[in-house]
Order: sequence, then structure tokens, then C-alpha cells
Amino acid sequence: SQTIHQWPATLVQPVGSPLSLECTVEGTSNPNLYWYRQAAGRGLQLLFYSVGIGQISSEVPQNLSASRPQDRQFILSSKKLLLSDSGFYLCAWSLPRGQGYNSPLHFGNGTRLTVT
Amino acid sequence: AQTVTQSQPEMSVQEAETVTLSCTYDTSESDYYLFWYKQPPSRQMILVIRQEAYKQQNATENRFSVNFQKAAKSFSLKISDSQLGDAAMYFCAYRDLENTGTASKLTFGTGTRLQVTL
Repeated sequence: SQTIHQWPATLVQPVGSPLSLECTVEGTSNPNLYWYRQAAGRGLQLLFYSVGIGQISSEVPQNLSASRPQDRQFILSSKKLLLSDSGFYLCAWSLPRGQGYNSPLHFGNGTRLTVT
Repeated sequence: AQTVTQSQPEMSVQEAETVTLSCTYDTSESDYYLFWYKQPPSRQMILVIRQEAYKQQNATENRFSVNFQKAAKSFSLKISDSQLGDAAMYFCAYRDLENTGTASKLTFGTGTRLQVTL
């Protein structure tokens, strides 16, 4: 069965410091990968998605970037955090096109990021 | 762009009773998918139920069922025999069919917080 791991669970970082959140998926190949952000009291906003190694699509302009160095690894980064980057970040995966006609997203447990 | 609206920020239901959460969406597509996700206090997102737009039959999963009204672009979730463990944020989500180079991008509503009382 497939599993998704996301870490760290909680992170407190000062403004201007770098950020690296990591997500890995097990039990499947060539998954589609996603980073979502959930601000307090709001819904989920798609930040990035990837359909393959090195292929990153950005949904909103921001202070963050994403990378996919390996097939089942997805990293969310920032060179200098802003206060507005605080939130709950969720990584997710889905089956690739052609293998999951009705594939839902499967989410990790999330990272609560507080920028101070 | 597609939008998803959940007009009920909070709902409350007594244990063992039935509650319906509302969701409307806007799209120009004729075929798509709809989902309900549950987010308990642990904040993990859990898939509750899914619906394909081309299917007229409403999806059901045990105590959870949907009322899908395609013409009205409405997708409500009914929870029967509510249990304390149903207390959570519930998110409605929309997804287009996948195109080459894209992925299963979901558009989420802002959520409905469900309280379950004794």
C-alpha cells in the first residue's frame, strides 16, 4: 500500500531564515505530487504540483519554490521566510494520468510553520 | 477559473441525528469530479466520498451520501447517524479531467466546521 511521509510536523523559524520541508511517497511510481497551504480558518490553496522529476508547476507567485529531485520526493523551500509564510503546509500525491481516472489526492499529516 | 463555495462556516448536529453540508461550484466543464474531505483536529485530510459528474447516481459510503445536482452545480454531503468522531472541518473540492502535463489539481472550498453534540 502507498504511504506518504511529511516532515517536520512543526517548525518555528525567524523571519529571513531559509525553509526546507520534505515529502516522500512510498509504494507507487511516478506519482503526481502537490504542495498545498492552509492559512488559519481558510481552505487549501495549491502552491505547486509536479507530474515528474524536475517538472514543477507553480500556481501562485510567492516567496516559495519547490523541487522534485527524485521520483517520490518533493521539497518545498524558501531562501528567506516572510511572516506571511506562516501556515499549515500539506503535501499530497495522486496516481499519474492514465492510471487513476478518478484518482483523489492523498495527503500527508502536514507541517505547521510559524514564522516569528 | 473554477470556484467552490461552502456557505456554512459552522454547523452543529446532535449525536445520532442527520446533517447536510452544502457546497456549490462554478465550472464551464461538462465532466469533472467532486470530493468531500474531512479534516479532524489532527489536521490530516481524509477522503470521505467522491462523485463523477457523468454519473447520475449519487455516491454513498456507509453513513455518508451526497446529493449531486449537476444542473444546479450543487454537491451536498449528508451524514446520517452522526457520531462524535464526525466532528471535523469538511471541505468540498472540485477537479477537472486531467490533461497532458497537468495533474489532479483540486480546488477547495473554505470548509464547514461540524460540531457533534450529545
